Amino acid sequence: QQKVQQSPESLIVPEGGMASLNCTSSDRNVDYFWWYRQHSGKSPKMLMSIFSNGEKEEGRFTVHLNKASLHTSLHIRDSQPSDSALYLCAALTGNTGKLIFGLGTTLQVQP
Amino acid sequence: GGIITQTPKFLIGQEGQKLTLKCQQNFNHDTMYWYRQDSGKGLRLIYYSITENDLQKGDLSEGYDASREKKSSFSLTVTSAQKNEMAVFLCASSIPGGWQNTLYFGAGTRLSVL
Repeated sequence: QQKVQQSPESLIVPEGGMASLNCTSSDRNVDYFWWYRQHSGKSPKMLMSIFSNGEKEEGRFTVHLNKASLHTSLHIRDSQPSDSALYLCAALTGNTGKLIFGLGTTLQVQP
Repeated sequence: GGIITQTPKFLIGQEGQKLTLKCQQNFNHDTMYWYRQDSGKGLRLIYYSITENDLQKGDLSEGYDASREKKSSFSLTVTSAQKNEMAVFLCASSIPGGWQNTLYFGAGTRLSVL
């Protein structure tokens, strides 16, 4: 059973639109979440991290975290074709080092 | 800055063959990881290592062995390649523990089994 679940599996948004991606952990011991972005044919790169309840904004990207429900979301406003990629959510339990990824959301931004 | 080097970039094997993938990092990171990625989907953890000579199983360790001979290197062995298997194996490293655990990835090894 996938311990980190992402939805939707794929998403198409128009250029300039808002993309919203979701991620939930079924492991109650998870403390930390990351969002990674992987362009086609490339390796994943860390996009944003969030460890405390609330919201964090960096440019066009905003992440939310609700630690009680172990749910995080990534929102991309003014989406650009260059944002088209696989978005991966990752979760870590304490200091175990065991970093688990979800299956990802494939985002396509149409010009 | 640092770099993670994975060798080989492409690996073609025969069914039943034992295959070894290598990873070197010069970040001086303690923790290293091996993940498998199928068909451009999510990453599944095979093995990770908190420090030199440490090995921890991930959720997909069956069919694989790993070795952390020194801090900078982490190798993965496919013990018996499966026919028609195709996947990308990604090596990563990080500072251990909590909020510092951001991963840096290598370029990957693409495996095809005939």
